Amino acid sequence: GAGVSQSPSNKVTEKGKDVELRCDPISGHTALYWYRQSLGQGLEFLIYFQGNSAPDKSGLPSDRFSAERTGGSVSTLTIQRTQQEDSAVYLCASSRLGGRGTDTQYFGPGTRLTVL
Amino acid sequence: DQQVKQNSPSLSVQEGRISILNCDYTNSMFDYFLWYKKYPAEGPTFLISISSIKDKNEDGRFTVFLNKSAKHLSLHIVPSQPGDSAVYFCAALNTGTASKLTFGTGTRLQVTL
Repeated sequence: GAGVSQSPSNKVTEKGKDVELRCDPISGHTALYWYRQSLGQGLEFLIYFQGNSAPDKSGLPSDRFSAERTGGSVSTLTIQRTQQEDSAVYLCASSRLGGRGTDTQYFGPGTRLTVL
Repeated sequence: DQQVKQNSPSLSVQEGRISILNCDYTNSMFDYFLWYKKYPAEGPTFLISISSIKDKNEDGRFTVFLNKSAKHLSLHIVPSQPGDSAVYFCAALNTGTASKLTFGTGTRLQVTL
């Protein structure tokens, strides 16, 4: 079956512009996560959606970052007024149940964002 | 504040030998640990996990060891194969909260012929 897909695979933008990154999770997965990996760093948690519950936004680095998940499926991560420090690979993952469980998280290939 | 640390950025091992990747953590609330493997231009893929109630979990060539008192875990790959060449991430989870993973910075393993 299809895995997690993300688009675009690469995005180059100018400082100050807004960008939208898209994630299509595995069909039927109720939990969706966004992480990012900056150069030389590990994956850093950004935001987590679980079913119809309010998202856990505790990892978002600033109010320029926001995300939504429409219809419990596709998610969009939006970065407003991009800065050079936003340059990173943005990874989306989904899991069947999420919650406080240990469900395996399946990752997409990521979107490499470069802010010039 | 790096709660999960992988102090070796890279490791080179000959084919057929054992690869040992190490990971340390500082948060005593972590009770579930995972290893992910990542090839270039791909997302991380789950490899093996261990609960804090165990000290060892084995799956084929891969074994993870957990030393809770030392807050240390390791991944052993034996025998190492060229296809194992990838970046390996250690990750930890506090199952008492949401399922967000805390990752280390990764170790790049190169298995040479």
